[in-house]
Amino acid sequence: GDSVTQTEGQVTVSESKSLIINCTYSATSIGYPNLFWYVRYPGEGLQLLLKVITAGQKGSSRGFEATYNKEATSFHLQKASVQESDSAVYYCALSDRGNMGYKLTFGTGTSLLVDP
Amino acid sequence: DMKVTQMPRYLIKRMGENVLLECGQDMSHETMYWYRQDPGLGLQLIYISYDVDSNSEGDIPKGYRVSRKKREHFSLILDSAKTNQTSVYFCASSSGTANTEVFFGKGTRLTVV
Repeated sequence: GDSVTQTEGQVTVSESKSLIINCTYSATSIGYPNLFWYVRYPGEGLQLLLKVITAGQKGSSRGFEATYNKEATSFHLQKASVQESDSAVYYCALSDRGNMGYKLTFGTGTSLLVDP
Repeated sequence: DMKVTQMPRYLIKRMGENVLLECGQDMSHETMYWYRQDPGLGLQLIYISYDVDSNSEGDIPKGYRVSRKKREHFSLILDSAKTNQTSVYFCASSSGTANTEVFFGKGTRLTVV
C-alpha cells in the first residue's frame, strides 16, 4: 500500500534559523500521487499548509515551501527563518486512488519546537 | 463557515462499554474519514465513507464500525471498548477528488479504563 515516511519525530530550532523536515513517499498507483503538508497547532485540528499536485513543482504558504521530487520520491518541507508561532506538529501526506475513491495517507508527523 | 464538528471532545469509558463518536460537516462533502492518532504512529485510517451507506475499511478497521445515514453525519462506533482503543480520534471530510483539501475536526480524546 501507500506509505509516507518522516524520519524526525521531533525537531528543535532556534527562532530565525532555517528548517527542513524530511518526507519521502511510496505510492501504489500508476500515476503520480498528490502531495500535501498539514499542520496541527496545539488544541486545533489538522489544517492544510500547502499542496502540490504536479511533479516537479513547488508549493508555498506562510513562508514554508516544498518541492515535489518524483525522482527521489521526496517532498521535504523548508522554511528559511522560523518563528515561535511555527511550533506545531507537521504531517506529510499523499492522496492516491484506492478501490472506491481517493484516500489520504499520512506520515507519523514531526513535532517542531521553536526556541525564542 | 466550513467546519467539521466532533462530539464529544473528551470521553472516558470503561472497558466493555459501547462508545459512539459523532461527526458532522457543513460543506456537503461526499467523502468522510475517521482516523486515530497515537504517539509515534501518526494518523491511521480506520474507515472512509464515499457517501451515504457507502463505507470502506481503512487500514485499521478491526474493533470499529461506522454509520453514515446522512451525507453530513458520520459516526464511529466501538462495540465493547478495549483499553488499546484509547487514542485521539479525528474525523475529516473532503469533496473526494485527489487534489482537494481535507478538512479536519479538532479530535475526540477517548480514554478506555
